[in-house]
Amino acid sequence: DADVTQTPRNRITKTGKRIMLECSQTKGHDRMYWYRQDPGLGLRLIYYSFDVKDINKGEISDGYSVSRQAQAKFSLSLESAIPNQTALYFCATSDSPGAGGIQETQYFGPGTRLLVL
Amino acid sequence: QKEVEQDPGPLSVPEGAIVSLNCTYSNSAFQYFMWYRQYSRKGPELLMYTYSSGNKEDGRFTAQVDKSSKYISLFIRDSQPSDSATYLCAMSARQAGTALIFGKGTTLSVSS
Repeated sequence: DADVTQTPRNRITKTGKRIMLECSQTKGHDRMYWYRQDPGLGLRLIYYSFDVKDINKGEISDGYSVSRQAQAKFSLSLESAIPNQTALYFCATSDSPGAGGIQETQYFGPGTRLLVL
Repeated sequence: QKEVEQDPGPLSVPEGAIVSLNCTYSNSAFQYFMWYRQYSRKGPELLMYTYSSGNKEDGRFTAQVDKSSKYISLFIRDSQPSDSATYLCAMSARQAGTALIFGKGTTLSVSS
């Protein structure tokens, strides 16, 4: 089984609809992230969470909200979807830096392709 | 100026060529440097990880970091069609709680 899973893998929705993208991980990592990827713009951070009680806005959080239900689960919601939220969405996880301050690396899920009509 | 700049390409090379992929950055606090490979319709996967300046080699791949020039490189020797993918550089500062900053990615195509 994959370490980081995302559901659904593909989603078509209409403008104004509320949708939720879900991410689960079995890596035991504390930190989880949501990114969106657009052609020519690369990966942009939406929200991140360093533990269950910690939620932080990323570069482009407007129009999105998140919920960290457990260490292993991090959901992204679009309260009222709009066409420019059409993109490829990735969840990622990482472990916390060790005592020596070694920076973590991030492990990505397979992505959710979202189309907003 | 973006914190991380990466030429999007596309870059097309014949099989067996040496490939050089590069990123420049502006934040002198960056100390951790990574290269990710992303195949079409897949999530990025970690390819190389380097701390501070210097070189790191792993098989056909070599990562170089020049902090004085704020410049990192990924070299691929004897490139193969299976290396065709988008390569993203990523970096972060030492402080705990710092998220990764990604380049936009360079698309590489290796023809047989």
